[in-house]
Amino acid sequence: NAGVMQNPRHLVRRRGQEARLRCSPMKGHSHVYWYRQLPEEGLKFMVYLQKENIIDESGMPKERFSAEFPKEGPSILRIQQVVRGDSAAYFCASSTTGTLNTEAFFGQGTRLTVV
Amino acid sequence: AQSVAQPEDQVNVAEGNPLTVKCTYSVSGNPYLFWYVQYPNRGLQFLLKYITGDNLVKGSYGFEAEFNKSQTSFHLKKPSALVSDSALYFCAVIDGNTDKLIFGTGTRLQVFP
Repeated sequence: NAGVMQNPRHLVRRRGQEARLRCSPMKGHSHVYWYRQLPEEGLKFMVYLQKENIIDESGMPKERFSAEFPKEGPSILRIQQVVRGDSAAYFCASSTTGTLNTEAFFGQGTRLTVV
Repeated sequence: AQSVAQPEDQVNVAEGNPLTVKCTYSVSGNPYLFWYVQYPNRGLQFLLKYITGDNLVKGSYGFEAEFNKSQTSFHLKKPSALVSDSALYFCAVIDGNTDKLIFGTGTRLQVFP
């Protein structure tokens, strides 16, 4: 089991471009969570998805950010028209059921730098 | 709303000494508490969790945490620190309504030889 795989590990985008962050959960995991870690800050919850469904997106900015977890393929976090303030580490976690009953496994993160 | 607080940005300890990383929580209902560790340029790794049962929870790498309901605390401890324990430690609580992990701001542990 390869664990939670995130790619790319590092992503550089110019202001106004789109950033696509991918997360392949562990085999058998159908629950995916995205977190953002800003410099010198903790992890902030963004969105919780199950296959083909967004369960909780209360942490997602209302504009420019979107997430999906299709039936086939990885979960995608998409940031349109990136700005400097989007520079952060984005972590994905997956679990077999909700995190209440099982541990969440985290990927190594994607570090987005907006120049 | 569920939340956790980590009052210390950084904790410094000499190798071989005991360490404590503090966490307090605020929840409505039963608390479900976690500790995660983040090594440099790595993702988070699960250390331990408290759901129910014994107040002293043992986890990975020799770490343990004590759940104290009266003080609403869940401090992380280790009897003898190692230089390799130097990392960023996050306390987390589950929001029982939404099943999402809410993290504290993290505490950087520095163990000196």
